[in-house]
Amino acid sequence: GENVEQHPSTLSVQEGDSAVIKCTYSDSASNYFPWYKQELGKGPQLIIDIRSNVGEKKDQRIAVTLNKTAKHFSLHITETQPEDSAVYFCAAGSGYSTLTFGKGTMLLVSP
Amino acid sequence: GAVVSQHPSWVICKSGTSVKIECRSLDFQATTMFWYRQFPKQSLMLMATSNEGSKATYEQGVEKDKFLINHASLTLSTLTVTSAHPEDSSFYICSAHGVPLGTDTQYFGPGTRLTVL
Repeated sequence: GENVEQHPSTLSVQEGDSAVIKCTYSDSASNYFPWYKQELGKGPQLIIDIRSNVGEKKDQRIAVTLNKTAKHFSLHITETQPEDSAVYFCAAGSGYSTLTFGKGTMLLVSP
Repeated sequence: GAVVSQHPSWVICKSGTSVKIECRSLDFQATTMFWYRQFPKQSLMLMATSNEGSKATYEQGVEKDKFLINHASLTLSTLTVTSAHPEDSSFYICSAHGVPLGTDTQYFGPGTRLTVL
C-alpha cells in the first residue's frame, strides 16, 4: 500500500518568513495530493491540493509543488502569520480511493 | 460549499455504554464517507469507509462489531461505539466526498471528542 513520509515534524519560523514542508510517497499510482491544516481541537481543513497532471499550484500565500519522478511534493507558505500556526498534514491517494496521510508537521509562527 | 458537520462535538460516557456520533454533509450528497480516529499529537487513522446503502469496509485491526457504521442516506452516516471502554477515548473525525463536487476531494467534519470514564 501507499506510504507517506512527512518532514519536518516541527517547524518554527518568524512572522514574515517562508515555511516549507516536504512529503514523499511510495505508490506511483497515486495521483491526488491534498494538504490539510488542523487547528487544536478541530477537524482538518483542506487548504490546497494538486493532481498529477500539474507540477505547481498557487493560492495567494500558499503553493504546492509536485515532482512525480521523484515521488515528492511540498507545501510552501510565504509571508507567514501567527494564524498560520497549526498542524499541517499531507496526503496521497488515487481516484476515489482512501487517502494516506503523513504524520503531520507542527508549524509555529512567532510574532 | 462542501460543509460537513458532526454531532455531538464532545461526549462523556460511562464504561459499558454505547455512543452514537452523526456525520452530515450539509450542501452536497456524500456518496462516500470516511471515519477516522486521532490520538493526541498523532496523525489520522482511517477506521472505515462507507458508501451510501452498502456495508462499511473496515480497515485491518478495526473491530466492526464494536464500531458500527451506518450510511443510510446520501447526507448522513453514523458511527456507534458499542460497549465503550476508556481505551476508546479519542477524537473521532468523519470526512466525505461526493456529488456535485464530483472529485476525490475529502472534506472533514469538526470532529467529536469522546471520553469514556
